[in-house]
Amino acid sequence: TQLLEQSPQFLSIQEGENLTVYCNSSSVFSSLQWYRQEPGEGPVLLVTVVTGGEVKKLKRLTFQFGDARKDSSLHITAAQPGDTGLYLCAGPGGSEKLVFGKGTKLTVNP
Amino acid sequence: NAGVTQTPKFRILKIGQSMTLQCAQDMNHNYMYWYRQDPGMGLKLIYYSVGAGITDKGEVPNGYNVSRSTTEDFPLRLELAAPSQTSVYFCASSFLRDTEKLFFGSGTQLSVL
Repeated sequence: TQLLEQSPQFLSIQEGENLTVYCNSSSVFSSLQWYRQEPGEGPVLLVTVVTGGEVKKLKRLTFQFGDARKDSSLHITAAQPGDTGLYLCAGPGGSEKLVFGKGTKLTVNP
Repeated sequence: NAGVTQTPKFRILKIGQSMTLQCAQDMNHNYMYWYRQDPGMGLKLIYYSVGAGITDKGEVPNGYNVSRSTTEDFPLRLELAAPSQTSVYFCASSFLRDTEKLFFGSGTQLSVL
């Protein structure tokens, strides 16, 4: 079974700060997805990265897929309280099912 | 467009009771899934279905059962509830393989006491 390790597990920062969270594996993934989950809601897909070295931007969020397709990062510039939530990475595991990391819980304080 | 609808939102069960968590999607998606989410443990796949009449076990199926009689509905049955089944349950769907974008419901918070 392919595993995804996310770090850090918790992150608390002040509004306006920059941050990076990581999603790592010892296995190669054909693609990786990033979801954001707000309290009391289900996860919502932010982006899918497919090509090694790919960089995708979504407003203040920058997603990167590692060259070897074993890792990914999410960088947030000038974080805002609305960015608060649980960030999950996910990728195709065995039998074509998605496996999820345990997530990074981000709190952005005003 | 409602997307994926789960009911109930909250439920408390006594040990040994049974219940059904309802899930419906209106996007004509073939694939549907049930996950459970425990604090700090991410999402674990319980059961999934690739179409009406076809279901299969995921990573943590023990103590649960599913059926898929229509494309729209995918109920999850808990028989003889145990405290270990206290969790938040999410239903999700996707049009193609589950490696495509998943659409999640808003979850059911279940406590077994």
